[in-house]
Amino acid sequence: GQNIDQPTEMTATEGAIVQINCTYQTSGFNGLFWYQQHAGEAPTFLSYNVLDGLEEKGRFSSFLSRSKGYSYLLLKELQMKDSASYLCAVLDSNYQLIWGAGTKLIIKP
Amino acid sequence: GAVVSQHPSWVICKSGTSVKIECRSLDFQATTMFWYRQFPKQSLMLMATSNEGSKATYEQGVEKDKFLINHASLTLSTLTVTSAHPEDSSFYICSARVERREGYEQYFGPGTRLTVT
Repeated sequence: GQNIDQPTEMTATEGAIVQINCTYQTSGFNGLFWYQQHAGEAPTFLSYNVLDGLEEKGRFSSFLSRSKGYSYLLLKELQMKDSASYLCAVLDSNYQLIWGAGTKLIIKP
Repeated sequence: GAVVSQHPSWVICKSGTSVKIECRSLDFQATTMFWYRQFPKQSLMLMATSNEGSKATYEQGVEKDKFLINHASLTLSTLTVTSAHPEDSSFYICSARVERREGYEQYFGPGTRLTVT
């Protein structure tokens, strides 16, 4: 079967750094997405990785290791507005998005 | 990033009526559009995938006669919930994917909250 695993919930302090991990087992791989979703709103695109390595976009970075079936989203200089759910999703061999359940990130002052 | 719009953002309808939701990619042409449904505190559930000019592909368990999808152009897809029932009340989100030279990008509309009374 296809499976995406990410922690259910994480807590971090404002101004700190947090890493949200995602491991996957899918039938084929055509890239991995990270999305941010605030309660009651639709997901917002953060990143797309298809090659191994680190992609940096401002305070957010995303890393991929295809051989390990592993990715992480790194958030630096955390702000209160970063409190949200972070969704990991893999594009499988049929170009369908397989979704993780999401990680709820709680930022404390 | 690219923008996907949805209309209406929220709608209340009576049981037995039909509701149409529009999804538009505003500044790009989407090779594929998707319709999702999301219940509170749960992940997105894919309902169907549609390519412009062809019939939508529905996920198992999704009634194609109840959730009519029309993908009229590379920038517009519509979802019609026919004969709505209270259990159809949910958050419906469309998404549009574009293939670029460096890979794929997939953007979501703001969602439509449907309440059936």
